[in-house]
Amino acid sequence: GAVVSQHPSRVICKSGTSVKIECRSLDFQATTMFWYRQFPKKSLMLMATSNEGSKATYEQGVEKDKFLINHASLTLSTLTVTSAHPEDSSFYICSALLSSHDTQYFGPGTRLTVL
Amino acid sequence: GESVGLHLPTLSVQEGDNSIINCAYSNSASDYFIWYKQESGKGPQFIIDIRSNMDKRQGQRVTVLLNKTVKHLSLQIAATQPGDSAVYFCAERPEGAQKLVFGQGTRLTINP
Repeated sequence: GAVVSQHPSRVICKSGTSVKIECRSLDFQATTMFWYRQFPKKSLMLMATSNEGSKATYEQGVEKDKFLINHASLTLSTLTVTSAHPEDSSFYICSALLSSHDTQYFGPGTRLTVL
Repeated sequence: GESVGLHLPTLSVQEGDNSIINCAYSNSASDYFIWYKQESGKGPQFIIDIRSNMDKRQGQRVTVLLNKTVKHLSLQIAATQPGDSAVYFCAERPEGAQKLVFGQGTRLTINP
């Protein structure tokens, strides 16, 4: 149980385009999901907390107009990287909060490369 | 400010030996701690957690110890196997918060 998926697993795009990443909790409902960014050999950096039916809460320094988050259902949150640039290239990971366990379970990550 | 750190960035152990990964945290108000394992190119995988009202918790081949006096967390892996090679992250959750604060990570390498 507590399986979280992400799609796509890898994406390559051109500068200036937008990319949408999906995060799904497959066997449980999650009112709260989180989006992280991870650089090579570094730890996870929380970008935002996504709450179903309300606006996401962004961490300091994260541009909300750049990284659009939509949590439209109890099993799906999306992160859209708008007008992507090479510096946005990174490993993006989501997690979903399993309330009954009070624990975050992570997706497999999405590798974004912006050319 | 809040910070969660690890004493050693890398750790190498012989297959079959026990390994101990340490973590220091600074927020005494944190009430929940988790260890995650991350293999290359994958998302973190939950290993074991512990709440602040406990000082020890055991799982399958893993034990987490919490010392609130010195704000120290450790993960013990018994009889290490090649599949244990990964980066291990500790994370703390400040009381009343939903988000986690992650440590820097320790790369564990199991030598055959």
